[in-house]
Amino acid sequence: DIQMTQSPSTLSASVGDTVTITCRASQSISRWLAWYQQKPGKAPKLLIYKVSNLQAGVPSRFSGSGFGTEFTLSISSLQPDDFATYYCQQYNSYLTFGGGTKVEIK
Amino acid sequence: QLQLRESGPGLVKPSETLSLTCTVSGGSISSDSHYWGWIRQTPGKGLEWIASIYYRGNTYYNPSPTSRITISVDTSKNQFSLTVTSVTAADTAIYFCARSSGSWEDAFDSWGQGTLVTVSS
Repeated sequence: DIQMTQSPSTLSASVGDTVTITCRASQSISRWLAWYQQKPGKAPKLLIYKVSNLQAGVPSRFSGSGFGTEFTLSISSLQPDDFATYYCQQYNSYLTFGGGTKVEIK
Repeated sequence: QLQLRESGPGLVKPSETLSLTCTVSGGSISSDSHYWGWIRQTPGKGLEWIASIYYRGNTYYNPSPTSRITISVDTSKNQFSLTVTSVTAADTAIYFCARSSGSWEDAFDSWGQGTLVTVSS
């Protein structure tokens, strides 16, 4: 199994900040990585696929990068709607998710 | 606008069988480009992919605990289903159905709202 480890588990930030979330894979997954946003009581929403491709309708303040085993999700100019939990998911070999990073208001 | 909606019992007794159905509307489950999957979420294990299926019946399972799980599709009803036998408290979770595009090994671009299943006597 490919394990996905996210850090930090919680991140405190203010509106307007730029935040970065890291996701590490236990082995190389090339560029087969997605990022999701989840709000309480809702399903995850796909933000980014294949490391850096924005899903339709996702604001450009979201960006992704990385290759192999280390990946990042960045959110520039954090908006009130962005306070949520973010998950990475690898799809190189089967499908596994990271443990999540909660972005909370400082 | 594609919509997925999970349905099934909210409460299941230990050792019994859990059956969930996902109804797809606003699009055809018989699309050549899409696969359909089940994911569950628990506070302890987070998000866990369970299984996916193609409309022609090709199935793909999480290699971890597969023997109790069956995924199936009914194209005439535009539905796919999940069955988990011999449930335990560890199967208590929010169950989501979702769609992936291009391959079963892909990101999920459309999700149902989720349904909470509790295993308890």
